[in-house]
Amino acid sequence: AQTVTQSQPEMSVQEAETVTLSCTYDTSENNYYLFWYKQPPSRQMILVIRQEAYKQQNATENRFSVNFQKAAKSFSLKISDSQLGDTAMYFCAFMKPFNTDKLIFGTGTRLQVFP
Amino acid sequence: DGGITQSPKYLFRKEGQNVTLSCEQNLNHDAMYWYRQDPGQGLRLIYYSQIVNDFQKGDIAEGYSVSREKKESFPLTVTSAQKNPTAFYLCASTGWRETTGELFFGEGSRLTVL
Repeated sequence: AQTVTQSQPEMSVQEAETVTLSCTYDTSENNYYLFWYKQPPSRQMILVIRQEAYKQQNATENRFSVNFQKAAKSFSLKISDSQLGDTAMYFCAFMKPFNTDKLIFGTGTRLQVFP
Repeated sequence: DGGITQSPKYLFRKEGQNVTLSCEQNLNHDAMYWYRQDPGQGLRLIYYSQIVNDFQKGDIAEGYSVSREKKESFPLTVTSAQKNPTAFYLCASTGWRETTGELFFGEGSRLTVL
């Protein structure tokens, strides 16, 4: 069975600084998707970034980028130039293709951005 | 605007009562999901439905029931059989055969059992 582990329950960063959130996962699959979802205090969760395992290039979305290490089964999220609006709970998630009902979430990392 | 609407946002229930949480989407998505969120436990899947009039149990379905009579609606009933119902409940949806895994979420419903 697949598992997703986020070992940092809480993190904080100063505005404009860079922060990295960690995520590791366990799977015997070769092809899969990894995600970072953001849940702001307003509670509507949104997708931040997605990585396809067969792509070696790390995904990037504006200030958000990932460091995908397939052999190490590691999928960290880097937030550059942190903004107050980045304050949220961040969830790492894993999914096999065509298995949206099997989206497996980590326990989340609460990120606080300070002015 | 397209999206997912959950209601009510906050709900209080006495022990022994059933309660129904509403989830409506206008995204024309085929698949809908209910998750339970507890502190330190991430999101756990309660039920999901990939098509009208069909639904499947998730990892923690005991004490819950759902229906899918319309594509747009996927209500969740928390029954008195659910031993620890106080939680935050999230509804989500996605297109059928969605391979990219992006779920669209509602704002959630917080249920408190008194």
